[in-house]
Amino acid sequence: TQLLEQSPQFLSIQEGENLTVYCNSSSVFSSLQWYRQEPGEGPVLLVTVVTGGEVKKLKRLTFQFGDARKDSSLHITAAQPGDTGLYLCAGDRAGGTSYGKLTFGQGTILTVHP
Amino acid sequence: GAGVSQTPSNKVTEKGKYVELRCDPISGHTALYWYRQSLGQGPEFLIYFQGTGAADDSGLPNDRFFAVRPEGSVSTLKIQRTERGDSAVYLCASSLISLAGDNEQFFGPGTRLTVL
Repeated sequence: TQLLEQSPQFLSIQEGENLTVYCNSSSVFSSLQWYRQEPGEGPVLLVTVVTGGEVKKLKRLTFQFGDARKDSSLHITAAQPGDTGLYLCAGDRAGGTSYGKLTFGQGTILTVHP
Repeated sequence: GAGVSQTPSNKVTEKGKYVELRCDPISGHTALYWYRQSLGQGPEFLIYFQGTGAADDSGLPNDRFFAVRPEGSVSTLKIQRTERGDSAVYLCASSLISLAGDNEQFFGPGTRLTVL
């Protein structure tokens, strides 16, 4: 069983602060995805990283895939209350036997206070 | 509809009862996935369909759980003899294809199942 360890589990910060969420595994993934989930809704894809060492930016969000494709991080600059939500990383080993079956981390609940 | 829809949005049942959860994927999406999300956890894979066939059902916890997709579109997740531990949000997702690559899965809002 492949596991994705996500940390921290909870994060409570003030508006304007920076934060980083980590996602680590002992398994290699063909791609790694980051999702955001609001209460009562399904996860919504933020970004997919595919290449080891890849860095992607989405406005104030920066996503990085580790060189060995086993870990990833999400960095938010100058957090805003609208960033509040559950952030999930998910690994995809498509190309082997899992054909897009996602393995999710346990999630990080982010609360940004005004 | 524009997105994945799931019905019912909430289901409360008694221990031992049978339940069916429905998923309507995005039109044209050949791949369909069921996940289960317990409180405070990330989604956990249950089963994956490519067309009408279950290509991977390795995540189904036991033989009380079964899913079908008879016409390659709508899918139904069926749970027999429900137990309190089955209480969770059941998420459905669909994607265009499911080959190597970053094919995006679009998730529905989920069905919250509560077993009393």
